[in-house]
Parts: sequence; structure tokens; C-alpha cells
Amino acid sequence: QKEVEQDPGPLSVPEGAIVSLNCTYSNSAFQYFMWYRQYSRKGPELLMYTYSSGNKEDGRFTAQVDKSSKYISLFIRDSQPSDSATYLCAMSLAGGANSKLTFGKGITLSVRP
Amino acid sequence: GAVVSQHPSRVICKSGTSVKIECRSLDFQATTMFWYRQFPKKSLMLMATSNEGSKATYEQGVEKDKFLINHASLTLSTLTVTSAHPEDSSFYICSATTENTEAFFGQGTRLTVV
Repeated sequence: QKEVEQDPGPLSVPEGAIVSLNCTYSNSAFQYFMWYRQYSRKGPELLMYTYSSGNKEDGRFTAQVDKSSKYISLFIRDSQPSDSATYLCAMSLAGGANSKLTFGKGITLSVRP
Repeated sequence: GAVVSQHPSRVICKSGTSVKIECRSLDFQATTMFWYRQFPKKSLMLMATSNEGSKATYEQGVEKDKFLINHASLTLSTLTVTSAHPEDSSFYICSATTENTEAFFGQGTRLTVV
């Protein structure tokens, strides 16, 4: 079993839809959970950064972490064509300089106008 | 967020030559930099972790003599792919972090070895 599993997709939704992206993981020691957005041929851009279980909201994005189920989610409300990208979940045992990240494979999202 | 600049963004080299990729943190001092490799439609695979002034720590299966990493200052780390071969063609990405921040990524370097 891989440490981090992410549905590879791809996913296509109409503009304005609510998008739900998910990852599961096997290592219960992960403490920090991140979602990155990566446009084609670019480096990943950090979207959300959460510590331990709970929800975090930032504009149209909401990140949820359920450590008991080893499950994290990213919700995108009112999706826009500009949200079309690959979304990667990542997690680490520690934050800051010790943040050796383990990534999911990423899911490619396409938002149709 | 903080800015991490990676150069070059794209490079084509002949088989057998060496290529150097630079990763700079522009507005903060990075105590730790990470180097990743990403294959098409695959996840980022950590290659090595480098701390300023010390030797890099390589992940299992990564050849340290082939992928030379130097982290000479708090704002610069370099990855040199030595004696490159076509199978080294990939997208290489660096990230930088401090003691108290999350990791910020560079734009990536697409290496093509012909």
C-alpha cells in the first residue's frame, strides 16, 4: 500500500460546480497536510496548509483533515476555468525545515466554461 | 508567499554532458532545500534534502554521484546531473523552507537529454 493514495482522475466539471478532491494515507504519524495546485510545466503552488484534524477555509477553498480516518479533502466552491490544473495532496511528519513531503499522484481538474 | 526561483526553466543537453540547475530563495533564507523529480502524470519524488553548509541526504535509490547537490548559502542550492543520459530526462523541482514555514516550490526545470 502506498503511503498516500489519490484518485488519479481526470475530473471534468462545469463552471460553478463544487469540486471535492480527496486523499487517503496510511501513516498515522503524519501531522501536516497540504494541498498544492500545479499548472502544466510549472512548479507546485501551495493552496492550503493545515495541522492535525479540522477544517480550514480560504476563499473558495476548504481543506478538511480527518486523522481518525486518515482522510483529507479539498473542496472548491464556485469552480472557475482558472481552477483547471493538477491538484496534489501532500503530508509530512513535521513542519518547517523538517517538512519532507510525501505527495499523492495528483488529480487533473478541468473546469468547463 | 515566499518566492523560490529555479533556473533554467528548460534545458536540452547532449548525452554524456553535465547540467547544473540552480534554486534560489529570493526573499528569505532557506535553511533547508529539497530536490524532487517528477515524471509525466506522476507524483513528485523526493530525491534529496540539503541543509546549508552540510552534505545532502539522498533518498534510497538516488545516486549521489550522479546527482550532485551543493547548498553553499542560505539562498542557493544547486543540483548537477552528471554524465546525463536520456533516462535522466525529467522535470526537476526544488523547494525551500525555513524552521517555521511550509515549503515553497520553484517553477521547475524540464531537462531533456538527447
